[in-house]
Amino acid sequence: DAGITQSPRHKVTETGTPVTLRCHQTENHRYMYWYRQDPGHGLRLIHYSYGVKDTDKGEVSDGYSVSRSKTEDFLLTLESATSSQTSVYFCAISVGGIRETQYFGPGTRLLVL
Amino acid sequence: SQQGEEDPQALSIQEGENATMNCSYKTSINNLQWYRQNSGRGLVHLILIRSNEREKHSGRLRVTLDTSKKSSSLLITASRAADTASYFCATDVYAGGTSYGKLTFGQGTILTVHP
Repeated sequence: DAGITQSPRHKVTETGTPVTLRCHQTENHRYMYWYRQDPGHGLRLIHYSYGVKDTDKGEVSDGYSVSRSKTEDFLLTLESATSSQTSVYFCAISVGGIRETQYFGPGTRLLVL
Repeated sequence: SQQGEEDPQALSIQEGENATMNCSYKTSINNLQWYRQNSGRGLVHLILIRSNEREKHSGRLRVTLDTSKKSSSLLITASRAADTASYFCATDVYAGGTSYGKLTFGQGTILTVHP
């Protein structure tokens, strides 16, 4: 699992509430990614980070923000959760630099009621 | 539209048979990665093949890449019931500069291997 953990693993929340998901890695890798997985869409990139405090948007970034204040943690925040953000969220790290193998965390199942 | 598209969407075979899954993509790539996902679980990395490589092997897995046709295939030989899973290809699209390793996934092939 390349030392990646995600928390929480499951969460149920209500529309309009803020939610923060955490991705933690133990191996000091520079590049980290957040994806969401939905039926019929495969995995889609939300945001990514190429270093501490260096982040950028992915394909489906609307309604999400991220922060990376230290190498090991990459946080994904839903500022005001909506039902369309019900999904499975995966964090990934690129081991050995960009253009190398990406390993994924176990995922967080989020249900927005 | 999807950068990577797998074909077939679903494949059902008997144990011992070979399984071939195909992935097509639209733009130039730095590399292509194949993943397996068991139902309700995370993604397991299988193989990374770079744009200048044509074939790679790992155990019972064989991946080919044809950049002229913008396609890749994953072959699983002598399949087992434990190979039952969804298989995804993911492309690291070449963007002329630094792509930061952003992956674009297809929708996957669901493989069922019957004992």
